Amino acid sequence: TQLLEQSPQFLSIQEGENLTVYCNSSSVFSSLQWYRQEPGEGPVLLVTVVTGGEVKKLKRLTFQFGDARKDSSLHITAAQPGDTGLYLCAGGRSGSSNTGKLIFGQGTTLQVKP
Amino acid sequence: GAVVSQHPSRVICKSGTSVKIECRSLDFQATTMFWYRQFPKQSLMLMATSNEGSKATYEQGVEKDKFLINHASLTLSTLTVTSAHPEDSSFYICSARESGRRSSGNTIYFGEGSWLTVV
Repeated sequence: TQLLEQSPQFLSIQEGENLTVYCNSSSVFSSLQWYRQEPGEGPVLLVTVVTGGEVKKLKRLTFQFGDARKDSSLHITAAQPGDTGLYLCAGGRSGSSNTGKLIFGQGTTLQVKP
Repeated sequence: GAVVSQHPSRVICKSGTSVKIECRSLDFQATTMFWYRQFPKQSLMLMATSNEGSKATYEQGVEKDKFLINHASLTLSTLTVTSAHPEDSSFYICSARESGRRSSGNTIYFGEGSWLTVV
C-alpha cells in the first residue's frame, strides 16, 4: 500500500515554465524529505521539513510542509533543462522503531525541454 | 560530508546463483541501514531494515530467505540475493542514518545504488 501519493508522475515542460509537484497522505509524518535522482544513481537529498506549515527555499525551489504534516509540495520557478530528473518525496515516522525508515512517494519524472 | 558506498555498482549473474551487495558507511557509524529496491522509472520500495548485531526486519511481502541481510559491523551491511532469477533484476539502494546523531529530522544518506542483472 502506497502511503504517499505523489503527483503528477510525469511532467514535460518548456524551459522557463513553473511547476508544482504534490505529495499527499492520510497519515501524519514527523518529517518529510524531497530527493532528486539521476538515472543509475542514488537519490540526493534536497530538503527536509519537520514543522507543520514550514516553507524552505533552495534557489528556484520552494518546499512546503502542510500544517497537519500530511502533505507537501515542491514548486520550481523558471525551470531549466538541468532540473530534469526524478523527484521523490519521502516521509519519516516518529518512534525509535521507525527512525531512519522512509516511505517514498511514486516519484515525479520531470523533463524540461530547452 | 557523510558518504555511503555500495559495491558492486553493476553485477551480472546467472540464474540460480547468489550475489552479494555491500553497503558501507565511510566516515560514520550506522547501527541501522535500509535496503530498497527500485524498478526503472519507479520509486524506491523499502525491502528491509538492517540492524547491527541483530536480525533484519523485513517489510511485508519480502522473502527473508531469498534476500539475506547481514549487518556484522557498524559500517557494513550486506544484501545477498540467493538463487537469483531474472525477475530479481533491479536497482538496489541502501541508506544509513548516523548513529548517536541528534537531528531535527530523519536525515538519511543514500548509497549510489547497485544494478543487478540476472541472466
